[in-house]
Amino acid sequence: AAGVIQSPRHLIKEKRETATLKCYPIPRHDTVYWYQQGPGQDPQFLISFYEKMQSDKGSIPDRFSAQQFSDYHSELNMSSLELGDSALYFCASSFYWDRGHEQYFGPGTRLTVT
Amino acid sequence: GQQLNQSPQSMFIQEGEDVSMNCTSSSIFNTWLWYKQEPGEGPVLLIALYKAGELTSNGRLTAQFGITRKDSFLNISASIPSDVGIYFCAGPMDSSYKLIFGSGTRLLVRP
Repeated sequence: AAGVIQSPRHLIKEKRETATLKCYPIPRHDTVYWYQQGPGQDPQFLISFYEKMQSDKGSIPDRFSAQQFSDYHSELNMSSLELGDSALYFCASSFYWDRGHEQYFGPGTRLTVT
Repeated sequence: GQQLNQSPQSMFIQEGEDVSMNCTSSSIFNTWLWYKQEPGEGPVLLIALYKAGELTSNGRLTAQFGITRKDSFLNISASIPSDVGIYFCAGPMDSSYKLIFGSGTRLLVRP
């Protein structure tokens, strides 16, 4: 079965640079979630979109923004990168009308800021 | 805010042994999800629970939604080396769909 696709899988940036992470949800899924996972930590919710509109917001820095496009893929834009932004970034998707809104995660993008 | 307390933090067991881990919260959850994460990979959904008292199996995995709706348990029977990973419980926060995760149980299996 098709899974969530994330690109790139690895990204190395310098401080103050910008980064764009992409997420392609499972076909027919209309909701996308972004999570950040630091080393040895559990995933922390950043932001989500349903039908191209922001549906929830977590502890996402103002330097980050995201959007969902008409084909349901999503992009997380990160500016003025800081060393502390180094983490695994996961995208998850779900179908809004499925019971429990079960979220399926992608393989993640490992961002390293030097 | 809502928090999920997961225990134990880690387990190192012999292949073939059964494993049990749990997750508790001071808040009520309407859904409990159990994920497994391997190094450098995304969490993989193992089991989803929707009703208090519900007991659901997925192969050698069995999970239960606690009657109080404030806890959940995951059991793995006859563990094998490929069970190695971090197991997270998760639930939707504050009547929304954003997930809050437990701190994880790291499972190591000795062949």
